[in-house]
Amino acid sequence: GQNIDQPTEMTATEGAIVQINCTYQTSGFNGLFWYQQHAGEAPTFLSYNVLDGLEEKGRFSSFLSRSKGYSYLLLKELQMKDSASYLCAVRDRGGYQKVTFGIGTKLQVIP
Amino acid sequence: NAGVTQTPKFRVLKTGQSMTLLCAQDMNHEYMYWYRQDPGMGLRLIHYSVGEGTTAKGEVPDGYNVSRLKKQNFLLGLESAAPSQTSVYFCASRSAIAGGQLAKNIQYFGAGTRLSVL
Repeated sequence: GQNIDQPTEMTATEGAIVQINCTYQTSGFNGLFWYQQHAGEAPTFLSYNVLDGLEEKGRFSSFLSRSKGYSYLLLKELQMKDSASYLCAVRDRGGYQKVTFGIGTKLQVIP
Repeated sequence: NAGVTQTPKFRVLKTGQSMTLLCAQDMNHEYMYWYRQDPGMGLRLIHYSVGEGTTAKGEVPDGYNVSRLKKQNFLLGLESAAPSQTSVYFCASRSAIAGGQLAKNIQYFGAGTRLSVL
């Protein structure tokens, strides 16, 4: 099985940088996703890491350390529209390659 | 390109009533999923399908049934609704065959169905 931990809430200031951490325990790791979910809307894909290191995509970056069971999502130059929940999700190695989602981190961006 | 479409968007049921939630995707995806999302809990998988005519149980299947008669549609049924089934339901799909490793891993979600059981 899998266990995923991430903070439930965070607050950051517009224009700043925020890091959202995710730790996981899994019997067979095969990739980690970050999804963004605005209130009342569907989750949308942000990033995917399967190898150690940093993946950068515009203002968003995601880091993975498989040996530590750790990932973070880095958001730079925060904008008000970044206020949303950020879901960490881990895929396992089984035949079905199940994806397990964390509870999500609700980020509030304040002026 | 509509992507993943869920109907209805909202529904209120009385305990014991039945209903069917419809999910339709126009991306020719092989895999489809039904999740529920509750406050303080992550998305939890109810049932999934790896292809037309096949379904399987996820982590919280009790009280639900599914059918995948056509590749583009995945139906979630509640035979006798209970208050514990009050939740937001999301359907998702993904491709099993794609040009790149990343492409086949992304799940695309519908807008959700908000269900209240009184």
